[in-house]
Amino acid sequence: DAGVIQSPRHEVTEMGQEVTLRCKPISGHDYLFWYRQTMMRGLELLIYFNNNVPIDDSGMPEDRFSAKMPNASFSTLKIQPSEPRDSAVYFCASSSRDRLYNSPLHFGNGTRLTVT
Amino acid sequence: ELKVEQNPLFLSMQEGKNYTIYCNYSTTSDRLYWYRQDPGKSLESLFVLLSNGAVKQEGRLMASLDTKARLSTLHITAAVHDLSATYFCAVGWSYQLTFGKGTKLSVIP
Repeated sequence: DAGVIQSPRHEVTEMGQEVTLRCKPISGHDYLFWYRQTMMRGLELLIYFNNNVPIDDSGMPEDRFSAKMPNASFSTLKIQPSEPRDSAVYFCASSSRDRLYNSPLHFGNGTRLTVT
Repeated sequence: ELKVEQNPLFLSMQEGKNYTIYCNYSTTSDRLYWYRQDPGKSLESLFVLLSNGAVKQEGRLMASLDTKARLSTLHITAAVHDLSATYFCAVGWSYQLTFGKGTKLSVIP
């Protein structure tokens, strides 16, 4: 099992540019989560999907952020335009519905985003 | 709004000593997780606690849950350097988890 795979690991971009973060969940998992981690705010849930459908996006900070899950094995988080305050580590996590009550979220290695 | 408080936020302890990390939460929930994060790394699941009185142990770590007090503890027994990391509790209903700020543990020889 390769685990949750995120790319890129690091992203440095200039303010105003579009940024796309990618995630491949664990095969067979039907829940996918996007989290953001900063020193000030800790870990925050941005959005989560079930069977490729967004269930709750109330954590998405503003309209500059969007997330898609076109199929069971791929999701993207896009920021357009990016701002310096978006600098953070973005984690993708997945879990399995059948065992969700006993199964934790499995996190990827994260994407460290720096917006200058 | 669910609030999760961990304390202490920073903990420096000597090898061989015992200590406890506390996780308090503000409203009822149906699950509580403990995670470990090494610097620059991902989050690794340690324990899932689902019911009042639940106790789970893995090596030198033991987690417990008191839903009436809305309190979970992570007890460290005879700490070793390898346990140095940041420990998070996460609480919520169903798939909506709120994470604590984390406890950064440093185990000193």
